[in-house]
Amino acid sequence: EVQLVESGGNLVQPGGSLRLSCVASGFTFSSSWMTWVRQAPGKEPEWVAIINEDGSGRNYVDSVKGRFIVSRDNAKNSLYLQMNSLTVGDTAVYYCARDRDWGDLDIWGQGTKVTVSS
Amino acid sequence: DVVMTQSPFSLPVTLGQPASISCRSSQSLAHSDGRIFLNWFQQRPGQSPRRLIYEVSKRVSGVPDRFSGSGSGTDFTLKISRVEAEDVAVYYCMQGKHWPRTFGQGTKLEIK
Repeated sequence: EVQLVESGGNLVQPGGSLRLSCVASGFTFSSSWMTWVRQAPGKEPEWVAIINEDGSGRNYVDSVKGRFIVSRDNAKNSLYLQMNSLTVGDTAVYYCARDRDWGDLDIWGQGTKVTVSS
Repeated sequence: DVVMTQSPFSLPVTLGQPASISCRSSQSLAHSDGRIFLNWFQQRPGQSPRRLIYEVSKRVSGVPDRFSGSGSGTDFTLKISRVEAEDVAVYYCMQGKHWPRTFGQGTKLEIK
């Protein structure tokens, strides 16, 4: 079964850090570009970051540049998002998704909830 | 960033009637190879987004053929020929041509 399973979401104070994980199964993870997309309550999804097949290429939305780092471990079929200097504005459900081709996000996880609050 | 503008924001539709959602991009989404990177997603209440259509009009396997996509350049449309109860959802367009990828603000389809 093709599947993405996120974990690591939690309640964290402003200025804190969190590391999200996403484990893939049922497809060739090591050949796939992977993305993180977040969705604040009642808002549209927001594309956050992307990483290429071997981790040598990454891109981020401006609002997280310098604070978030996307990485992967192909041996573990896992994608990660290290989030630092968190603000209230980072509160959202975070989804990992496969970017099959030019934004064609064909596989999505169920999401993990991140709440930044004092 | 490329701005994706959807309309309407809310779409009440009678069961069995057609529905149409518009999406406009602030820049062209056409690649030099001729492909246009505009995708449509459906998000049912409490669920993750699900892709419906990619590259303007290519329907994903398993998506009912009552869903269709059209458009070119900067103006795109998602149509549902006959709305069914399971179509209640928020629909988003998303462009994949430019960085960062950007989504429209969504159209909430509800049954009248």
